[in-house]
Amino acid sequence: TQLLEQSPQFLSIQEGENLTVYCNSSSVFSSLQWYRQEPGEGPVLLVTVVTGGEVKKLKRLTFQFGDARKDSSLHITAAQTGDTGLYLCAGRAGGTSYGKLTFGQGTILTVHP
Amino acid sequence: DAGVIQSPRHEVTEMGQEVTLRCKPISGHNSLFWYRQTMMRGLELLIYFNNNVPIDDSGMPEDRFSAKMPNASFSTLKIQPSEPRDSAVYFCASSLLQGATYEQYFGPGTRLTVT
Repeated sequence: TQLLEQSPQFLSIQEGENLTVYCNSSSVFSSLQWYRQEPGEGPVLLVTVVTGGEVKKLKRLTFQFGDARKDSSLHITAAQTGDTGLYLCAGRAGGTSYGKLTFGQGTILTVHP
Repeated sequence: DAGVIQSPRHEVTEMGQEVTLRCKPISGHNSLFWYRQTMMRGLELLIYFNNNVPIDDSGMPEDRFSAKMPNASFSTLKIQPSEPRDSAVYFCASSLLQGATYEQYFGPGTRLTVT
């Protein structure tokens, strides 16, 4: 069974600070996705990374896929209160997985004004 | 596009009652996933379908849970009989399997409370 461990589980910061969330596994994934979930809603896809070492930027968010495709990180620069939410990483194994994703436990981010 | 549609959004029922959750995937998507989310266990995959065929139901907790996908635009998740420990938010997600990304699009969820 493939597992994804996210850290930290909880993060409480002030507006304007930087933060990094980590997603680690002992398994190799063919792709890895990051989702953000707000209270009362379903997770919303932020980004997909496919190539080892890949870096993608989405405004103040920077996503990196590890060279060995076993880990990933999400870095937020100058956090805003609107960044508050649950961040989930999800990995897809290769082969005939029909798109099945393994989700991490999530990081609850709270940005205080 | 309307996105993934789930109904009802909230369901409160008594222990022992049958509960049916409904999902309409995004038109054109060929895979559908049912998840359950709780604080303790996070987001758990219950079952998923590809082209209306169940592929993996190993996440279904017990025989009390069953899921069907009679056509490409509709799926149900049924719990019979329901128990208080089934209380959770249930999400449906759909995906179009092509290329390398397999992005999943989630519905708003059904919050189930079993008393």
